[in-house]
Amino acid sequence: QQKVQQSPESLSVPEGGMASLNCTSSDRNFQYFWWYRQHSGEGPKALMSIFSDGDKKEGRFTAHLNKASLHVSLHIRDSQPSDSALYFCAAQSGSWQLIFGSGTQLTVMP
Amino acid sequence: EAAVTQSPRNKVTVTGGNVTLSCRQTNSHNYMYWYRQDTGHGLRLIHYSYGAGNLQIGDVPDGYKATRTTQEDFFLLLELASPSQTSLYFCASSAGGSNERLFFGHGTKLSVL
Repeated sequence: QQKVQQSPESLSVPEGGMASLNCTSSDRNFQYFWWYRQHSGEGPKALMSIFSDGDKKEGRFTAHLNKASLHVSLHIRDSQPSDSALYFCAAQSGSWQLIFGSGTQLTVMP
Repeated sequence: EAAVTQSPRNKVTVTGGNVTLSCRQTNSHNYMYWYRQDTGHGLRLIHYSYGAGNLQIGDVPDGYKATRTTQEDFFLLLELASPSQTSLYFCASSAGGSNERLFFGHGTKLSVL
């Protein structure tokens, strides 16, 4: 079983809508969580990290972490077609290594 | 923006063939990584290095060798390629340590026939 599980596998939202992506880890040693975004034909690019319980907002993107349930989510408000991409959740323990989930494919429909 | 350059962008080889994937970073980062990306598996770490001459084993190392010749250059070697190694390969670099982001290249698509 993967240590980092993402849901849903794919998601479609209308332009201007809210996209919500979920990630659950199975290792309580994970301390830092990252969201990466990968557009077609490119490499993944880091969006934001979170390591404290609660919300962290960066522009239209809000990450939420609940350490007790080992759940992290990413919410994208006012979704744009340019947000269409593969989104990865990644978790990191006290060492450096990142463990990636299998990704959520987001499609924003004009 | 940190720069990681991979070559080639696409590679086709036959079963049993030799393949070398190249990666160069100009970020002055100590850490470099090789990942493979497969549908349903996300990104899986093959090998990594924290400096010239150093090599560490990742989560899926079987069938792969790697070499870090300088701080900038990291190579992935497939000496007897198999169809199971058909994948999208990414190189990345980071400063290392906790909560440091990775900077990825554009990837190499490898097909083993």
